[in-house]
Amino acid sequence: GESVGLHLPTLSVQEGDNSIINCAYSNSASDYFIWYKQESGKGPQFIIDIRSNMDKRQGQRVTVLLNKTVKHLSLQIAATQPGDSAVYFCAGNTGRRALTFGSGTRLQVQP
Amino acid sequence: SQTIHQWPATLVQPVGSPLSLECTVEGTSNPNLYWYRQAAGRGLQLLFYSVGIGQISSEVPQNLSASRPQDRQFILSSKKLLLSDSGFYLCAWSVSGRSGEQFFGPGTRLTVL
Repeated sequence: GESVGLHLPTLSVQEGDNSIINCAYSNSASDYFIWYKQESGKGPQFIIDIRSNMDKRQGQRVTVLLNKTVKHLSLQIAATQPGDSAVYFCAGNTGRRALTFGSGTRLQVQP
Repeated sequence: SQTIHQWPATLVQPVGSPLSLECTVEGTSNPNLYWYRQAAGRGLQLLFYSVGIGQISSEVPQNLSASRPQDRQFILSSKKLLLSDSGFYLCAWSVSGRSGEQFFGPGTRLTVL
């Protein structure tokens, strides 16, 4: 769920390894989820989204997994590159118009 | 294609001074519009959202206000800034009428001294 104001946890991985970033949500009614990537000093950018009638969706080097039973969402990045270093946010809809954002995870890729 | 603009990109203001941040969207009609604030090293906090001209919903009580004078223009204002108003302000838009992807602007970094 949303945790506004918390300091961001950090995930450190080696270049070339796979990264898994996790997110938990609390609203059982949420039926749409999205992952954003935010580089320093820039606005968040869309990575991938998933609707609740799916449990997996793949993009280019990224996969989102949705487990509605435990209200858990994850983002997997294959062969992590230095350019993947950023803050990653998950978000889910809480109504017809609004998205609620998670607190974010800072991904650091070590060369 | 749609684009979203914010200005200024950076702003340094003294405590007690007024604020006006502007956001405009191009290439779409009747978008939902949003203002977020992001403190350094932290997550996104939704401040306001709007589903139409003159329609503003406030998510967090504070000394900020928002207005939507035109369909694709969203303004964030304050009459008197506080030190705690410092942060990175992001405007976003989404397609009207449904929950879905929000598209973010480049942001405005505000420092209140």
